Order: sequence, then structure tokens, then C-alpha cells
Amino acid sequence: NAGVTQTPKFQVLKTGQSMTLQCAQDMNHNSMYWYRQDPGMGLRLIYYSASEGTTDKGEVPNGYNVSRLNKREFSLRLESAAPSQTSVYFCASSEVGKQYFGPGTRLTVT
Amino acid sequence: GENVEQHPSTLSVQEGDSAVIKCTYSDSASNYFPWYKQELGKRPQLIIDIRSNVGEKKDQRIAVTLNKTAKHFSLHITETQPEDSAVYFCAARALTGNQFYFGTGTSLTVIP
Repeated sequence: NAGVTQTPKFQVLKTGQSMTLQCAQDMNHNSMYWYRQDPGMGLRLIYYSASEGTTDKGEVPNGYNVSRLNKREFSLRLESAAPSQTSVYFCASSEVGKQYFGPGTRLTVT
Repeated sequence: GENVEQHPSTLSVQEGDSAVIKCTYSDSASNYFPWYKQELGKRPQLIIDIRSNVGEKKDQRIAVTLNKTAKHFSLHITETQPEDSAVYFCAARALTGNQFYFGTGTSLTVIP
């Protein structure tokens, strides 16, 4: 039981490049989330998916898109990366309240 | 939407002393309050949670208290140890909703 997994662990992009962060969970959870974490700002919600086939914007959705591919997988796409998107990205899943996080992706945009 | 405030932002204690971290929330619909511990370079991990039908919950050296009337909840760590050093986040959620709202974190340092 791997829990929540994310790929890649690290990524460096140039401004304007695109990439997709992958997330998968094997706990059969309905809800999945993408957060970004910046120093001193805690965890800010980018997008979430309450169930397969649905997605909703969180606090900071601009510059991102998401896809809930199936119940297990929830991907985050940066279409045209900007230096302001340099951050650590965490995926999470939850059921009956309890939320579990993936190991994170450290993204640097130069 | 919900607004969660967390204090203090940094906290240093001597090993063996107690540490208390406080959070307030604004939405009376929130009824689930988890606490996460995040060690440097690691993912946040759930350490304890409380639902609004309970006033206090304990798990060994950690406890959480909830005051629904005042809309605040606190994390108490007793007999602190160096391995308790980490960033701690509080959060709030309505169990009928989907979003978790996080505080900005408290960096706890336990001095040996």
C-alpha cells in the first residue's frame, strides 16, 4: 500500500515551458487535492476533485489546469511556467475527513 | 469562505517543557480539525484530529482541545523532545464540504 505517490520529485523549467505533475493514490479515496507550499504561507489549495469526473478551483488556480483521469489519478498541468510558480507542490487524498499527502514535487522555474 | 489563523509562527521550548499552538477559525460550519506535523523536506503528516462533538482528545504526549463557542482549538505537546522539532499546521473543514483550510504554520524548536 503506497498511499499517495507523486512524480517527479524535482523539476527545473525555463519560463514558458509546460509540464504535468502526476499524482496517484491507492486508498480508494474519492477526494483528491493539489496544494502549493511557499515559505511562510502554509499550504494553499490550487484545485481539488471531490470525485471522479469533477474538479473545482481552490484559492490559487490561475496558471494551472487539472485532470482527474480516474479515481486513482489526479494530474496538475502548468501550460506556460512562470517564476512565480516556483514552489513545492503536494498532492493529497482524503476520505471521511482524514487527508493524506504525497511526498511533494519541488519545482523551480528560471 | 473559512479563515484559519494560527499562532505563534515560531516557538522555542526547552526539552521536557510543554508547547501550545493555537488556531482560530471563522466558519461555524467547520466541524473537523486536524493537526499536521511537517519535518524539514518531508510531507505533512496527520498527528491528531478532533471533531466538533468532542472537546478534547489525547494521544500519548499530544492533545487537542476545541472550544466551539469561541471558535478556537489548540495543540498541546507535553514533555517535548528534540524529535518534536518541526512545523505544525492546523486545519479546519466542514465534514459536508471538501476543502481543508490551513493555518500558516508554527515552527517549533525543542532545545536539548
